[in-house]
Amino acid sequence: EDQVTQSPEALRLQEGESSSLNCSYTVSGLRGLFWYRQDPGKGPEFLFTLYSAGEEKEKERLKATLTKKESFLHITAPKPEDSATYLCAVQDVHGGSQGNLIFGKGTKLSVKP
Amino acid sequence: GAVVSQHPSWVICKSGTSVKIECRSLDFQATTMFWYRQFPKQSLMLMATSNEGSKATYEQGVEKDKFLINHASLTLSTLTVTSAHPEDSSFYICSALSMGGREKLFFGSGTQLSVL
Repeated sequence: EDQVTQSPEALRLQEGESSSLNCSYTVSGLRGLFWYRQDPGKGPEFLFTLYSAGEEKEKERLKATLTKKESFLHITAPKPEDSATYLCAVQDVHGGSQGNLIFGKGTKLSVKP
Repeated sequence: GAVVSQHPSWVICKSGTSVKIECRSLDFQATTMFWYRQFPKQSLMLMATSNEGSKATYEQGVEKDKFLINHASLTLSTLTVTSAHPEDSSFYICSALSMGGREKLFFGSGTQLSVL
């Protein structure tokens, strides 16, 4: 059964304090791993898609990496506006379209000034 | 980027009433849209897949007679929660699949439903 586990559940950082969020996954075959940002009371906002182990993508202070078992979202010198819940999701090769993504429960990031 | 509009953002209703939530793709045609439910501190759970011009496909455990889905056009899907009860209170999110080039999924802003 496909599974996605995110850790930690919550993370509090000081502004400028870099850290990483983890997403461990189990799928029969990975078509893609997705990272989203979700603000309170809002829908997920797309950040990255990773397709194969060793792939990395960057956007501003965020960098996502992928191995065969997990993905990390590295946050460098975070700012208060980076505070949000970060969701990881996987698409199984047998799962049809992206609508059948398996989501983790998310990591709630709080960045204090 | 592509935009998916979801309305209303929040709704409070009495137990036993029905609530309709709309999901529109504003700048692309979406033959497929999806509806999710998210409880606090829980994963987004896919409820159903909405296909334009045909019946929706529901995930296991989701009552199709309670959660009515209509996808009447290439830009609009609606979810109606019929005879809502307090246990239906949740955050409902839609998404739309853009097929231009590489497949990409865009999410609506969500609807917080509170049933009293």
